[in-house]
Amino acid sequence: EPEVTQTPSHQVTQMGQEVILRCVPISNHLYFYWYRQILGQKVEFLVSFYNNEISEKSEIFDDQFSVERPDGSNFTLKIRSTKLEDSAMYFCASSVSQGADGYTFGSGTRLTVV
Amino acid sequence: DQQVKQNSPSLSVQEGRISILNCDYTNSMFDYFLWYKKYPAEGPTFLISISSIKDKNEDGRFTVFLNKSAKHLSLHIVPSQPGDSAVYFCAASAYSSASKIIFGSGTRLSIRP
Repeated sequence: EPEVTQTPSHQVTQMGQEVILRCVPISNHLYFYWYRQILGQKVEFLVSFYNNEISEKSEIFDDQFSVERPDGSNFTLKIRSTKLEDSAMYFCASSVSQGADGYTFGSGTRLTVV
Repeated sequence: DQQVKQNSPSLSVQEGRISILNCDYTNSMFDYFLWYKKYPAEGPTFLISISSIKDKNEDGRFTVFLNKSAKHLSLHIVPSQPGDSAVYFCAASAYSSASKIIFGSGTRLSIRP
């Protein structure tokens, strides 16, 4: 069964450093997403991406965050200057069509900011 | 922001019995509801969904019921099996913001032998 692949599975970074979280969506999917889950809290929407642009973003997704689809297969989330509160599990997802149905999530990247 | 609420953080059910997980929502713009299952170290996996034009959707051992007037939905699993032990997330989306899913806080279901 097709999978969404996320790398690395765990990343530790120092506060203030830039991190890039990588995702390979399912190949025929057109819509891409990032969500995060802070330990013990809800899974929260960050951003959706379609046709090489952001289609929607949450209040969490401020100027410190950016997304990119650099080469037609990868989908990346960059955090420019990490803060302690950015520590969370970050999930990438993709879907063939817009809409909540049909999402496939990756296994996540655990980001720890120290 | 508690648009989707799962008030039971955990539930323990005997194998073979029915598991009932509950969820409430506050946003009347939601028109599509989903249940996800999550194992440790994995992403959420889609389980079952229901549109607001229906009040019931069934898929094998899983049935979701929607009560729009009460803004309540529930997931029934029958019979419960050991492999059902996981965290279950209720989620919702609105047509006006179809790419965005709002999740509840999850219920940890444990199936005991």
